[in-house]
Amino acid sequence: NAGVTQTPKFRVLKTGQSMTLLCAQDMNHEYMYWYRQDPGMGLRLIHYSVGEGTTAKGEVPDGYNVSRLKKQNFLLGLESAAPSQTSVYFCASSYEWGLRRETQYFGPGTRLLVL
Amino acid sequence: GQQVMQIPQYQHVQEGEDFTTYCNSSTTLSNIQWYKQRPGGHPVFLIQLVKSGEVKKQKRLTFQFGEAKKNSSLHITATQTTDVGTYFCAGRPSGNTGKLIFGQGTTLQVKP
Repeated sequence: NAGVTQTPKFRVLKTGQSMTLLCAQDMNHEYMYWYRQDPGMGLRLIHYSVGEGTTAKGEVPDGYNVSRLKKQNFLLGLESAAPSQTSVYFCASSYEWGLRRETQYFGPGTRLLVL
Repeated sequence: GQQVMQIPQYQHVQEGEDFTTYCNSSTTLSNIQWYKQRPGGHPVFLIQLVKSGEVKKQKRLTFQFGEAKKNSSLHITATQTTDVGTYFCAGRPSGNTGKLIFGQGTTLQVKP
C-alpha cells in the first residue's frame, strides 16, 4: 500500500516549457487535490477533483490545468512554465468531505524550479 | 475571501518549554484539522475537531476548537526535538462546498 505517490520528485524547467506532474493513490479515494507550497504562504489549493472525470478550480488555478481520467490518477499540467511557478507541489487525496472522513493524505511532493 | 490566519509564523523554544500556535478564521468553520510537516517532508494529518469548544489530547499535544468555531489552538507541553517542524491548521468554512483552507503554518524550532 504505497498511499499517495508523485512523479517526478524534482524538475528544472526553462521559461515557456511545459510539463505534467503525476499523482497516483491506491486508497480508492474519491477526492484528490493539487496544492502549491511557497515560503510563508502555507498550502494553496490549485485544482481539485471530486471524482473520476471531474475537476474544479481552487484558490490559484491560473497557469495550470488538470485531468482525472482514472480514479487513482490526478495530473497537473503546466502549459507554459513561468518563474512564478517555482514551488513545491503536493498532491493529496481523501475519502470525502462533509462527514468525518476528510483526512487528507499527502504525497511526498515535487520540487519545481523554473528558470 | 475566506481566510485562516495562523500565528506566530516562527517559534524558537528551548527543549522542555511549552509551545502554542493559534489559528483564526474570518468565517465560521464546520471543522478544523491540524497537520504536521517535518523539514523536507510532507504534511501529515494529526487530528480533526468538529464540535464547538472541543478539546482533544494526543500525549503532550492539546488541541482546542473555539466556542464560536472560528479559532483553534495547538499546545505542546514540554517540547522535544522530535516536535520540530511546521504545524498547519486547515479549516472547512461552514456551508462551503468542501475545500480546506490552510493557515500559513507555524514553524517550530527546538534547541536541545
